Amino acid sequence: SQQGEEDPQALSIQEGENATMNCSYKTSINNLQWYRQNSGRGLVHLILIRSNEREKHSGRLRVTLDTSKKSSSLLITASRAADTASYFCATDVGGTASKLTFGTGTRLQVTL
Amino acid sequence: GAVVSQHPSWVICKSGTSVKIECRSLDFQATTMFWYRQFPKQSLMLMATSNEGSKATYEQGVEKDKFLINHASLTLSTLTVTSAHPEDSSFYICSVLAGGGYEQYFGPGTRLTVT
Repeated sequence: SQQGEEDPQALSIQEGENATMNCSYKTSINNLQWYRQNSGRGLVHLILIRSNEREKHSGRLRVTLDTSKKSSSLLITASRAADTASYFCATDVGGTASKLTFGTGTRLQVTL
Repeated sequence: GAVVSQHPSWVICKSGTSVKIECRSLDFQATTMFWYRQFPKQSLMLMATSNEGSKATYEQGVEKDKFLINHASLTLSTLTVTSAHPEDSSFYICSVLAGGGYEQYFGPGTRLTVT
């Protein structure tokens, strides 16, 4: 299975701290994406990083990709209580279907 | 990004009945939509790829006769859970393929409870 493993499964931090989540996958990919899911809701697309990119930024988000290690990390800087959610990485192996395979997710809790 | 809606947002049905879930792309013509299932505190598992005007492509282990998918227009795909059983209780989420073919935009999900 291509499904990625995310680490840690759960993370609790205080507001203002940085949160780092890691994702590992098994086979070669076309791109990797990160999504956020608030409890009981759909997913919100955060950022996409292509296989030929190593780092990407979007606001308080920083994503890295190491294809040699088949891993990616998501860093949220200066976290806020509103960042409390589950975060999933998803890999796209390419092809016409652009199917995504989701990781197991990290549940982030940001406390005041 | 694309705006995607789902209806209903939650549904409770009795075992043996069928339930239809709609996924609408409100501002984007979606040739391809995806249906996922998510059990509590677990990740999303792709069930099928819905292609407008053609048959859906199901993932291994997903019964196509049980989960009927119809993608009759560029803005609507439906998932019908036939003869639902309690083990079908789950959170069903659809997505629209957009962003040049790489990004998926997700609906808010439908929580199905089968009693």
